[in-house]
This record gives sequence, structure tokens and C-alpha cells, in this order.
Amino acid sequence: DIQMTQSPSTLSASVGDRVTITCRASQSISSWLAWYQQKPGKAPKLLIYKASSLESGVPSRFSGSGSGTEFTLTISSLQPDDFATYYCQQYNSYSRFTFGPGTKVDIK
Amino acid sequence: EVQLVESGGGLVQPGGSLRLSCAASGFTFSSYWMSWVRQAPGKGLEWVANIKQDGSEKYYVDSVKGRFTISRDNAKNSLYLQMNSLRAEDTAVYYCARDGAVVHDYWGQGTLVTVSS
Repeated sequence: DIQMTQSPSTLSASVGDRVTITCRASQSISSWLAWYQQKPGKAPKLLIYKASSLESGVPSRFSGSGSGTEFTLTISSLQPDDFATYYCQQYNSYSRFTFGPGTKVDIK
Repeated sequence: EVQLVESGGGLVQPGGSLRLSCAASGFTFSSYWMSWVRQAPGKGLEWVANIKQDGSEKYYVDSVKGRFTISRDNAKNSLYLQMNSLRAEDTAVYYCARDGAVVHDYWGQGTLVTVSS
């Protein structure tokens, strides 16, 4: 099975900061990677799919990059609404999805 | 507007059964794979199962194989998860999600399942 890791597990940042979260897969997943944002008590929200494609309606300050086993989610200028937990997910087939453990972005 | 509304959660004893439902609206339900994803209290997300548009393919995470069954009724725009032999570790919020181009592009609000004596 493909395992996903994320770093850091927690990130403290200020409004306006550039934030980068890293996700690594235990084997190559090409570009089959998604990023989700989740706020407390709410359902996750899709941000990025196919490693770098921005979901419709998601602000352009969010971007994704990478392929193979290493991926990044970048928030170019952190906004108050962005304090949340972020999860990566591999989806190289319909038969198996694996989420990373999450990265919590909180206020510095 | 795409809407997914889960129901059926609650408190159940270990070894018991529960059936979750997800009512879909705002899109052509029969055209999409659908998934169940769960989140234990204070923990991360775990994909549980999914089902193809016509129900001909179903996949499960190893930890629920043989105990959970995913199904759908396209005439009723509904997704189901039959959960048997429930364990304490199945305690979680269960989300229904639409699989658009494989990723989960829309999610319901979730329903809480608590397995406890």
C-alpha cells in the first residue's frame, strides 16, 4: 500500500506569510495527488487536484506542485480564513485512496 | 447546487449494525463514482469505500472488508453504507463524497457514528 507523509505536522504563521506544506508518497503516484482544507467541525474542501490544478472557486493564492513522490502546497500570502488543517491524498486508482496525516496551520 | 446529506448515524453497541444513507441532489447522481470517508474524533481522514456509477465495482479499505457494504440506488439518488460487526475503532464522523475525476470534489456535512457499550 502507498503511504503518505506530511511535514510539518503543525505550522505557526502570521497573516501575510508565505506557507509551504510538503507531502511525500512511499512510491511514485505520478501527479495523482489532491489537497484538501478542513476547518473544525466542517467537511473537507477540495483545493488542488492532479498535483497542481486549482479547483474552481479556490483563491489563486493556493498553488500545488510536484510529481512522483514529493509534492508541495503553497499559500502565497496567508489570510485569516486559511487557518485550518490541510490534507494531501493520493488517488492513483479508484480502488484505493490514502490521505496524509494532516498539517495544522495556526496563528503565530 | 450540489448537495449531499448524510443520515443514519448514532450510538450503537460493539458488534451491532448501522446503515448510513446519503441523499444526493443538484447533479446527475448516476454519472459519478461515490465514496464514504470517515474521521475519528481528533484524527485524520480515512477513505472507507467507493462504488462505481452502476454499482458494478466496489472497493473498501482493508479494515472494513467483510463488515461494511457500500451500495447505491440511482433511482432514489441515494448512497448507502451498511456497517455490521461494529467496533470501537469505527467511531467516527462518516462523510459521503462525490468522486469527480476521481477526487472527492463535493462532501456532505457528515454523520457521527459512536460505537460504545
